[in-house]
Order: sequence, then structure tokens, then C-alpha cells
Amino acid sequence: NAGVMQNPRHLVRRRGQEARLRCSPMKGHSHVYWYRQLPEEGLKFMVYLQKENIIDESGMPKERFSAEFPKEGPSILRIQQVVRGDSAAYFCASSPEFSNQPQHFGDGTRLSIL
Amino acid sequence: QKEVEQNSGPLSVPEGAIASLNCTYSDRGSQSFFWYRQYSGKSPELIMFIYSNGDKEDGRFTAQLNKASQYVSLLIRDSQPSDSATYLCAVNVGGGSEKLVFGKGTKLTVNP
Repeated sequence: NAGVMQNPRHLVRRRGQEARLRCSPMKGHSHVYWYRQLPEEGLKFMVYLQKENIIDESGMPKERFSAEFPKEGPSILRIQQVVRGDSAAYFCASSPEFSNQPQHFGDGTRLSIL
Repeated sequence: QKEVEQNSGPLSVPEGAIASLNCTYSDRGSQSFFWYRQYSGKSPELIMFIYSNGDKEDGRFTAQLNKASQYVSLLIRDSQPSDSATYLCAVNVGGGSEKLVFGKGTKLTVNP
């Protein structure tokens, strides 16, 4: 499968635990984006990364959320001390190196907080 | 605040009709425009993208862009029940970031 790969597909955490969401971009893509979709809401941009660099994190909450895209391995979105309001679908997208390219989305991780 | 506005719908059309979905955006510096289809519980799927004023056709889909009016639309010809989904308009507002700003989506139902 050459598409954007996200795992896990579903993640259940209790309040206060940590959630780690993984994303491997499409083959040949070097740009990774994370978006969040709350129930009955639109997609909201969170962060844009290239290998080893955060390019734009203007959509990330100031606390508890972090993202990385290491030289080797998938991109990771990390949520510390999760709260009920973090329950959402988290989508990763990727695009090629050049500007204004279409972004292709993975299947998402549905995060549920008990 | 850079915004993308869509009619939330629902939009209902009979099978075989033309479905017209509309989107306006607030940032005149926006550079590229995308339409995604999202079935309930699924991820967004790229349908069309357009960069220049005018029309762009791909099969039953036509994207239309008018930068002067800050307006982009998607026409679906010969609508099928399988086209029933939420259609998301997304805009790359440029400014050094490749992030997309999404509208809330228009829910389309095609009735057999």
C-alpha cells in the first residue's frame, strides 16, 4: 500500500494518559500535515512538518500537544495528559516537496478518551 | 482569520441531475484550491484541485475558480447515489505555509 499510513486506527485512553499517533507519508512525499476533526466539525490544521523540522505549528494547542518527524521513521503526534475534549479523529496528510501540491490523507486515528 | 465558507446543506438532488457546490474564501492571497469528498466515518478523498481562473474538468466533475469574486465551485454531472457524501472545500492560503484551511463541508444526498 503506497498511501498514507496511520496507526492505530482506533485508540482509547483514560484521562491523564498519553496518546501517540503515528503517520508514514505516501512514498515520495516529504511533507506531513496533521489535522483534527471534532464531531460534527470541519477539519482544523494543527501542524506542518518536513523531515526533522516543524514548519508551521500555528494550529497546535500550546500545552500537552507536540509533533515530530524524525529523519528515520514515521511522524508522531503526541498528546500528554489527555482530556475528554481531545476525543476526535486525527488525520495525517502528505504531499510532495513542491509548493501548492495536493495533500493526500490517511485513514485517520479515532481517539476516544474515557 | 482566514476563512472558508460553504453552505452546510443538506443539498438533495435526484439521480442524474447536476449537483452544484459552492465555496467562498476570505484571503485574496490564496493560491490553490481543493475539493475533497468525505463519506461518513471515513477520511477525506481528493476529488479536484484548481489553481487558475476558469474551469477544470475531470470526468463528471468540474471545478470552477473566480479569484476576483473569491469563489470556487464544484459541479457534479449525472449525479449518482454513490456521490452522496460531505464535500469539503479547502484553500492553501500561502504565506510560507502549505496548510489547508477547510470549510465545514456541504452534505450532498443523491436520491435514486
